[in-house]
Amino acid sequence: DQQVKQNSPSLSVQEGRISILNCDYTNSMFDYFLWYKKYPAEGPTFLISISSIKDKNEDGRFTVFLNKSAKHLSLHIVPSQPGDSAVYFCAALPNAGNNRKLIWGLGTSLAVNP
Amino acid sequence: EAQVTQNPRYLITVTGKKLTVTCSQNMNHEYMSWYRQDPGLGLRQIYYSMNVEVTDKGDVPEGYKVSRKEKRNFPLILESPSPNQTSLYFCASSLAGSDTQYFGPGTRLTVL
Repeated sequence: DQQVKQNSPSLSVQEGRISILNCDYTNSMFDYFLWYKKYPAEGPTFLISISSIKDKNEDGRFTVFLNKSAKHLSLHIVPSQPGDSAVYFCAALPNAGNNRKLIWGLGTSLAVNP
Repeated sequence: EAQVTQNPRYLITVTGKKLTVTCSQNMNHEYMSWYRQDPGLGLRQIYYSMNVEVTDKGDVPEGYKVSRKEKRNFPLILESPSPNQTSLYFCASSLAGSDTQYFGPGTRLTVL
C-alpha cells in the first residue's frame, strides 16, 4: 500500500500561472518531506524540502506547505515556466533508523504551456 | 562537477547472464543507495550502504548483490538476471545525516 500518494498523475497549467502539486501521506512517523523533479532520461533532482516541525518552506518560485493534521503537503510554483515541465515526485523520510530510505509517491507530470 | 554517475545507461541482456551496473560519486558521500523504478510501483529501495564495507537490504533485495569496497563506488550485481528485473535503476548518495540524496541518471535494463 502506498504510504505516499500523489493522486493526480498529470497537471497542465498556463505559463505565468500557479502550479499546485499535492501529496498525501499515511505514516505519522515521517519527519522530513522532499520534492524531486525529474526530466526524461535523467535522474531525480532535489527541488525543495520541509521538516515536519515547519508548515512552510520557500525557495524562489517554489513553496512547500505542510499540513500535519491532514497529512498533506503541496508544492506551489509561481509563476510557472515552460522549463518547469517535468515529473514531480513527493518523497518522505521516516524518523526511525539509520537507513535514510526515501518513500516515494508515483509522481505528477506537470506540463506548462506557453 | 559534483555528480553521481552510472554505467551503462542502457543494457539489454538475456536471462542468467551475470551483469554489473556501476555507480560512482565524487562528493565523498558516506551513504549510497540503489532504487528501481517500475510503473505503478514508484521507486523502491534495493540495497543501501552507510559507509565502506557496511551494506544492508532495502525493500526489494532479492536477486541483487552489492559491495562497498571504496567510498566512491557502489556497484549493483545481478548474478542471474531474470525478466522481472527489467526496470529503471537509480543510484543515489548523500552525506551521513543529510536528508538530501543526489541521484545518478539511471540505467534502463531489459532482461529477455
